[in-house]
Amino acid sequence: DIQMTQSPSSLSASVGDRVTITCRASQSISSYLNWYQQKPGKAPKLLIYAASSLQSGVPSRFSGSGSGTDFTLTISSLQPEDFATYYCQQSYSTPQSFGQGTKLEIK
Amino acid sequence: EVQLVESGGGLVQPGRSLRLSCAASGFTFDDYAMHWVRQAPGKGLEWVSGISWNSGSIGYADSVKGRFTISRDNAKNSLYLQMNSLRAEDTALYYCAKDIGFRIAAAGTFFDYWGQGTLVTVSS
Repeated sequence: DIQMTQSPSSLSASVGDRVTITCRASQSISSYLNWYQQKPGKAPKLLIYAASSLQSGVPSRFSGSGSGTDFTLTISSLQPEDFATYYCQQSYSTPQSFGQGTKLEIK
Repeated sequence: EVQLVESGGGLVQPGRSLRLSCAASGFTFDDYAMHWVRQAPGKGLEWVSGISWNSGSIGYADSVKGRFTISRDNAKNSLYLQMNSLRAEDTALYYCAKDIGFRIAAAGTFFDYWGQGTLVTVSS
């Protein structure tokens, strides 16, 4: 099975900051990497698929990049509604494993 | 509007069984693969099981293989998860999630809609 490792596990930032979250796969997964946002008490929401494609309706301040084993999610200018937990997911092979999550908190 | 509504969760003793359901609406259910994903309290997401559009392809996480059975009834727009021999470590919020494609193991797939989850607590 492919292991996904996110860093950092938690992050404190301020509104307006640029933030980057990293996800690393235990083997090459091409560009088969998705990002989800989860707010407390809510279901996960798809942000980015195929490493860099923005899901419809997601603000353009979110962007993704990477291929192979190393990927990043960037939020260009944090908004109050962006404070949440973010998960990466590989869809290269079954089981479609998730990273452990990165909790983004207000500084 | 796509809706996924899970039900069937509750408190159950170790070793007992429980059956979860997910009622789907707002899309052509039998065109898409479906999945169960769980989240233990305060923990991350774990894919549990997936089923292709016609039930021809099914997959399970190693942690539930041999104990859980996924199924679907396309006539009823419903997804199910039969959970047997439950353990304390199965305690979690169980989400139903829609795939963007009809197969479960297609590279590049992702889950575009999720339900709100149903809580399963395994405890004596």
